[in-house]
Amino acid sequence: GESVGLHLPTLSVQEGDNSIINCAYSNSASDYFIWYKQESGKGPQFIIDIRSNMDKRQGQRVTVLLNKTVKHLSLQIAATQPGDSAVYFCAEKRGGTSYGKLTFGQGTILTVHP
Amino acid sequence: SAVISQKPSRDICQRGTSLTIQCQVDSQVTMMFWYRQQPGQSLTLIATANQGSEATYESGFVIDKFPISRPNLTFSTLTVSNMSPEDSSIYLCSFFASTDTQYFGPGTRLTVL
Repeated sequence: GESVGLHLPTLSVQEGDNSIINCAYSNSASDYFIWYKQESGKGPQFIIDIRSNMDKRQGQRVTVLLNKTVKHLSLQIAATQPGDSAVYFCAEKRGGTSYGKLTFGQGTILTVHP
Repeated sequence: SAVISQKPSRDICQRGTSLTIQCQVDSQVTMMFWYRQQPGQSLTLIATANQGSEATYESGFVIDKFPISRPNLTFSTLTVSNMSPEDSSIYLCSFFASTDTQYFGPGTRLTVL
């Protein structure tokens, strides 16, 4: 069936490096994508989102890139810090309206070494 | 942004019993959602809860096992009924803000013995 998946289940980086977390999606009808960060014992925390009419969106230290041609989504974290260590999930929403069900990818564990 | 809280934060329950999880949002929201996150897994939508109507369940989830209440626009409950060890998971409630962003509660970590 259609799904959102991640290329790498784990990622280890050194503090100060840039991190890139990837995500593939299969439904070309998806129109909205979100990255979440989940720390141990907590619920997912919204990081950044992007709509399908955009290729790139930047936030504070984070950038999301969307390549609709190959159905690929990535999250770039600049100057990664130990506090960035968490599980990162991508999610897609389908529907074109304000309500749409989110489908989550499997998650990538990011570990930042000081 | 709205604050969303859940009770209890965690619980250990015996097989065959039921647990009701509460979710409170500090502002009125139209739709609330309940997700399950099994150990080491991603999130799976259980059901959508609208105020004043029955919840809509996703494939693989049924009302008898996961009854949901939505008495007003700021509150919802999820009951995990007749629990088995396979129900051990984190249960999360969620809502959409006006900006389309979906926010999650801190989760309820359930262990069934």
